[in-house]
Amino acid sequence: KAGVTQTPRYLIKTRGQQVTLSCSPISGHRSVSWYQQTPGQGLQFLFEYFSETQRNKGNFPGRFSGRQFSNSRSEMNVSTLELGDSALYLCASSLSGGNNEQFFGPGTRLTVL
Amino acid sequence: AQKVTQAQTEISVVEKEDVTLDCVYETRDTTYYLFWYKQPPSGELVFLIRRNSFDEQNEISGRYSWNFQKSTSSFNFTITASQVVDSAVYFCALLHPNAGNMLTFGGGTRLMVKP
Repeated sequence: KAGVTQTPRYLIKTRGQQVTLSCSPISGHRSVSWYQQTPGQGLQFLFEYFSETQRNKGNFPGRFSGRQFSNSRSEMNVSTLELGDSALYLCASSLSGGNNEQFFGPGTRLTVL
Repeated sequence: AQKVTQAQTEISVVEKEDVTLDCVYETRDTTYYLFWYKQPPSGELVFLIRRNSFDEQNEISGRYSWNFQKSTSSFNFTITASQVVDSAVYFCALLHPNAGNMLTFGGGTRLMVKP
């Protein structure tokens, strides 16, 4: 069974640009969560999608958004990039919710110059 | 509010030593789940264990063992006879079922195992 895949793995952007990251969950998993990891703030929850609906949202500005498609693949978008958005963005997939193990992808490392 | 504290930011041991990683959590909920993840240099978080709040039995898996104590709100992780391949950052995390799949992570403990 293939694991969680994230594309691209590395990305370099400049301030003010926007970026879209993609996550394909494990086959059969309907929940996709996104996390941001930075040296200063650690791992922080961005949002979760389940059956194409945002089920939960972390404390991030509206520049961070996401969506989920009918095949459970998810994208997250960051608009008007800031230097502080440089981070490792991790996606996790889970069967449904609440108490299932979450399986993480390798992450997308975003650098904002 | 939920919070997870991993007071040890970095631990260095010599191969074959035993090492314990501490995790203390805060939550007002009676039902919750605790997790440990390993993050090797590649960056991917690897699931190690999940424990629900009603199960205080300790668990052993090979060289890994976990000690869950609700009385002290701790969920500590011990590696016996550490190996160089155990070098990684380890994260403890807390989940409340009503919050979907939102994990609250601790700050992580970087474990360095030297040969």
